[in-house]
Order: sequence, then structure tokens, then C-alpha cells
Amino acid sequence: KAGVTQTPRYLIKTRGQQVTLSCSPISGHRSVSWYQQTPGQGLQFLFEYFSETQRNKGNFPGRFSGRQFSNSRSEMNVSTLELGDSALYLCASSLASTGASYEQYFGPGTRLTVT
Amino acid sequence: GNSVTQMEGPVTLSEEAFLTINCTYTATGYPSLFWYVQYPGEGLQLLLKATKADDKGSNKGFEATYRKETTSFHLEKGSVQVSDSAVYFCALRETGNQFYFGTGTSLTVIP
Repeated sequence: KAGVTQTPRYLIKTRGQQVTLSCSPISGHRSVSWYQQTPGQGLQFLFEYFSETQRNKGNFPGRFSGRQFSNSRSEMNVSTLELGDSALYLCASSLASTGASYEQYFGPGTRLTVT
Repeated sequence: GNSVTQMEGPVTLSEEAFLTINCTYTATGYPSLFWYVQYPGEGLQLLLKATKADDKGSNKGFEATYRKETTSFHLEKGSVQVSDSAVYFCALRETGNQFYFGTGTSLTVIP
């Protein structure tokens, strides 16, 4: 089975621009979560989608949004980019959203640099 | 609320040394517990998990036991190798909730 794929792998944007990142989960997985990873803050949860519905949301401003499509692929969007948005954005997929024992499988991440 | 606290790094060990990375958690219910590992330039990989009290997760020589009485899930390995150098994350998940991750512990193993 193919793993979680994320595109693009690297991205450089300018302050004030917007960006869209894409994630394709493992085949059969219906839950997709997004995380922001920075050296100072560690791994911060952004949101989780299951069957096109947002199930959980972290403490990020409204500039961060996401969606999930019927084929379980997901996108996240960041509008009005700030320098502090520079980070590794990780996507993770899971078979289910409600079962505590279902582990997440992570993609390689998208490295976003805001200049 | 839910949270995970893990041992601050970085940790530096010589090859074949014993490894312990401490992890304690706070949860409102009955979580599953996980250890993930992140190698440089990669995403996180599941290392092991335990879904109920007294369960022991193990993989690649690493072990962790779910201790409900001490709310802990410490990671151990008897003899580390250079290839174990990575960042290790402890995490928990309760039914219906998101994953909660610790801040990560960086391990460097020197030959």
C-alpha cells in the first residue's frame, strides 16, 4: 500500500500571500489530521477531518482552514501568511476517527518557508 | 484535559547503552498510548502502542508498558545503536478526540 503523500514537499511564499497544501491518505483511510511542527512549539494539532466533516480543531487562527473531499484527500489553506507560519506541515491518516486505538500514519510533510 | 509530558532532551548515549525516555500523561478517560519516531527530514513513524492498562508495546527492541497507576508510558531499549538517533514522541488518544503529542525527545547515539 502506498503511504501518505503530501504535495508539494517544499514551498517558499511571501508574507501576505496564501498557500494550499495537499494530502492524500493511505487507501481506505477516512480520517486525515494536520499538524504544524516548529522547533520552538513542537507538534501542534491543526484539525482533523473524517468523511468530509471537521471532527476536531486545534487552537489556530481562522487564517488556517482545511477541507476533505469525498475520496478522503485533504487540503489545508493558510491565508495572509506571516513569518511565523514557516514550519513543517504534517498530514496523518487513520482508518477511523472515533477509535482510540487506531494509530495515525504520517506523510513526509511540506516544508513552508515564508519570507 | 488531555496532555503528555515527556523527558526534556537532548539525550546523548554511547552505542550499546540502555535507553529510557520518560513519558507521563493526563487524560480524562481511558486513552491509548503511542510512541512515534521521527528521523531527520521525515515524517513521524509509529514505533509501538498500547491500548489498555498493563499492556506492553514492543518493536525493534523498544518497549513501553502502559502504567495506569502512575499514568506513565516510558520508552526503553536495552542496547541502542547509532541508527536509533532520532526524535521520539509520546502521544495519547481517547475515543472521539484528537491525538495529543509530547514535545519530543532528541536522541543521539555516538559510536
